[in-house]
Amino acid sequence: SQTIHQWPATLVQPVGSPLSLECTVEGTSNPNLYWYRQAAGRGLQLLFYSVGIGQISSEVPQNLSASRPQDRQFILSSKKLLLSDSGFYLCAWRVPGTYEQYFGPGTRLTVT
Amino acid sequence: GQNIDQPTEMTATEGAIVQINCTYQTSGFNGLFWYQQHAGEAPTFLSYNVLDGLEEKGRFSSFLSRSKGYSYLLLKELQMKDSASYLCARNYGGSQGNLIFGKGTKLSVKP
Repeated sequence: SQTIHQWPATLVQPVGSPLSLECTVEGTSNPNLYWYRQAAGRGLQLLFYSVGIGQISSEVPQNLSASRPQDRQFILSSKKLLLSDSGFYLCAWRVPGTYEQYFGPGTRLTVT
Repeated sequence: GQNIDQPTEMTATEGAIVQINCTYQTSGFNGLFWYQQHAGEAPTFLSYNVLDGLEEKGRFSSFLSRSKGYSYLLLKELQMKDSASYLCARNYGGSQGNLIFGKGTKLSVKP
């Protein structure tokens, strides 16, 4: 069966510090991968998606970047965090050709 | 536009039935999803509708009317554990499967 992991589960970082969040998927090959952010009082916002290794599409301009160095690994990064980067970051995967997306446990980021 | 509208909050009684509505802009529509999200947790997939009509899965059912840009999630025999946010989402990204989500409806089930 497929599983998705995210770490860390929680993170408190000062403004201006770098960020690296990791997501890995097990039990499937060549999944579509997604990064979402859920800020307080707002809906889930798609940040990046990837259909394959090294292929990243950005949905909204922002202070973040994403990379996919391996088929089942998706990384979200920032060089300098802003207060507005605080939120609940969720990684999701989907088998190409199907419709449902499945979410990882998430990382709760607080920028202070 | 790709707005998705759903009520912010709802309250219902244990054992009752509740219907959570969702409206969306119909252009480029390619499927409507419902997810459940308990406080502090990740969303979990509940249902997917691409054709008009009602899909039933145990206590939960989801309805879609493509011409009206309307969907609802029906929860029967409510239990306390059903207290959660319910997220409506539509597919807009074609083969990439990209989703746009509503802000969610927070359902509180009272004894």
